[in-house]
Amino acid sequence: SQQGEEDPQALSIQEGENATMNCSYKTSINNLQWYRQNSGRGLVHLILIRSNEREKHSGRLRVTLDTSKKSSSLLITASRAADTASYFCATDSGGGRRALTFGSGTRLQVQP
Amino acid sequence: DSGVTQTPKHLITATGQRVTLRCSPRSGDLSVYWYQQSLDQGLQFLIHYYNGEERAKGNILERFSAQQFPDLHSELNLSSLELGDSALYFCASRAVARDAEAFFGQGTRLTVV
Repeated sequence: SQQGEEDPQALSIQEGENATMNCSYKTSINNLQWYRQNSGRGLVHLILIRSNEREKHSGRLRVTLDTSKKSSSLLITASRAADTASYFCATDSGGGRRALTFGSGTRLQVQP
Repeated sequence: DSGVTQTPKHLITATGQRVTLRCSPRSGDLSVYWYQQSLDQGLQFLIHYYNGEERAKGNILERFSAQQFPDLHSELNLSSLELGDSALYFCASRAVARDAEAFFGQGTRLTVV
C-alpha cells in the first residue's frame, strides 16, 4: 500500500504559471522528500524537509510540511516546459526500518 | 549520473522463466532498496537491504527474492514470471546519515511475453 497520496494525479499548466502539488501521508515521519521522474527514467531527488521544519526553499521550489495534518505541498514557481515530469513525495519513517515509501505521483505537463 | 548502476537495462523473457536483476549502489552507500513501477503507476516498495541484511519488506511476492552481497551489490531474483510482472524495476541506494536522500539507478525494464 502507498504511504503517500499525491493530489492532483495530473496537472496541466502554461509556461510561467505556478504548479502546486500536494501529498498526504498516514504515519509519523522523520522527513519527507520530493523526487522528480522524467518519463521512464530514474527518480531524482529535489528537496527534503525534516519533520521539525515547516517550510523550505530551493531555487524555484518551495515545500511546506504540516505534520498535524500529515500533509506536504510542493510549489514550482514560474514553470518551464522542462519541468514536465512526474513528481513523487516520499516519506521516511526513520528508525531501523528506514524504508522510503513513495506516493502515487503527480504528472505535470507544462505547455510552452 | 546518480552513481547507481543497474543491469540489464532491458529484459524480455517468457512466462514461467526466471531472471536476475543486478544493482551496484553508490560508493559507500550501505542501503539498497528495490522498487517496482508498473506502467504509469507509483513506486511499490519491494525490499530494503542494509549492509548485507534484510531490513524491511514491502509488497514483494513470494516468487521474488533478493540479496545483498559483501561487496554491497544487490540482486533481485524474479521467478515463475507472469505477464503482470512486466514493469520497471528500480534500485536505489542511500547513505547512513539520518536525512540521506536516495539515489536511483536508471531501472531495468522487464517485459514478460
